[in-house]
Amino acid sequence: KQEVTQIPAALSVPEGENLVLNCSFTDSAIYNLQWFRQDPGKGLTSLLLIQSSQREQTSGRLNASLDKSSGRSTLYIAASQPGDSATYLCAVSRTDSWGKLQFGAGTQVVVTP
Amino acid sequence: DGGITQSPKYLFRKEGQNVTLSCEQNLNHDAMYWYRQDPGQGLRLIYYSQIVNDFQKGDIAEGYSVSREKKESFPLTVTSAQKNPTAFYLCASFPQGLSNQPQHFGDGTRLSIL
Repeated sequence: KQEVTQIPAALSVPEGENLVLNCSFTDSAIYNLQWFRQDPGKGLTSLLLIQSSQREQTSGRLNASLDKSSGRSTLYIAASQPGDSATYLCAVSRTDSWGKLQFGAGTQVVVTP
Repeated sequence: DGGITQSPKYLFRKEGQNVTLSCEQNLNHDAMYWYRQDPGQGLRLIYYSQIVNDFQKGDIAEGYSVSREKKESFPLTVTSAQKNPTAFYLCASFPQGLSNQPQHFGDGTRLSIL
């Protein structure tokens, strides 16, 4: 059974520092990996989606890498801002059921001014 | 604007009562999903539907039921058999057949016990 782990569970950084969020998964037979952002009491907003054949994806200050062989993905957020404070979740989909997502518990990020 | 609407935002259930959470999407997506989120935990899949009039159980379907009579709508009923229903419920949709597209989520319904 696929297990998705996110470490650390919580992170606090001063504004301007780069953020590094980690996600690991136990079964390398994934179809894609997605990173989401969740604000308190809200739904999830998609940030980046990496196909299993890709190594990384970039969008603005965000960069996500994927290493299937080691079962790891990392989300980098450059030059953090207070508006980046949120919970970040990663999720993987299986090759045989790529619409169904298996989620990690998330990393709660606080960026202090 | 296209999106997913969940209602109500907050819901309270009395013991022995069934309650229904609404999920409507105007994205023309074929697939729809219900997830449950507990504090400090990731989302867990309750039920999903890839086409009208068809749905499958997810990882934690016991105590829940769904229907999919219309493409736009996928209501979730939390039955009295669900002994620990207090959680945040999220509905999502997905453009089936487009594997490079992310899932879209509603803003959730928070269910509590009276």
